[in-house]
Amino acid sequence: EAEVAQSPRYKITEKSQAVAFWCDPISGHATLYWYRQILGQGPELLVQFQDESVVDDSQLPKDRFSAERLKGVDSTLKIQPAELGDSAMYLCASSPTSYTQYFGPGTRLTVL
Amino acid sequence: AQRVTQPEKLLSVFKGAPVELKCNYSYSGSPELFWYVQYSRQRLQLLLRHISRESIKGFTADLNKGETSFHLKKPFAQEEDSAMYYCARTSGTYKYIFGTGTRLKVLA
Repeated sequence: EAEVAQSPRYKITEKSQAVAFWCDPISGHATLYWYRQILGQGPELLVQFQDESVVDDSQLPKDRFSAERLKGVDSTLKIQPAELGDSAMYLCASSPTSYTQYFGPGTRLTVL
Repeated sequence: AQRVTQPEKLLSVFKGAPVELKCNYSYSGSPELFWYVQYSRQRLQLLLRHISRESIKGFTADLNKGETSFHLKKPFAQEEDSAMYYCARTSGTYKYIFGTGTRLKVLA
């Protein structure tokens, strides 16, 4: 069964450094989501793509976060510079243009 | 603002006891409601959606528009039901708002 892939699974970095996360959605899924999940909270949407276009990035801190999905397939989320408050689980999900989302395993980021 | 409220962070029940995980949502339009589950060391996955009206793993959830609630229920809890449960509502096109989650512990 196809699954959403994410890498790395864990990332430790120092504040002010740059980090990047990668997501490979299920083949054929047009919609891709990046979420941030802070410990003890539910996932919070950062950015939503429809193919290669951004549909919603209203919650993305654009001064330090960027996301791209150049060919409408895989996607990269970048943070530069990382801050202590960015420590969280970053989840990627994809959807075949429906309300059912398929989640990846996540990348746990620790900023020291 | 659109919200999903799960008032219990932790719910502990004994095996065989009934379970009810509470979820209330802010009223706005006609949202679809979902329950997602995350078992230990596994990824977040869809448990059920209100529109399908099906029972998954013995769980059901009824949408009560008057009380804006979508509580998750199971008559007899099993140890394998221990997990983190998230309620979610739609917001816009194919977007969710998630609640903060409830950890269910089923005790032997």
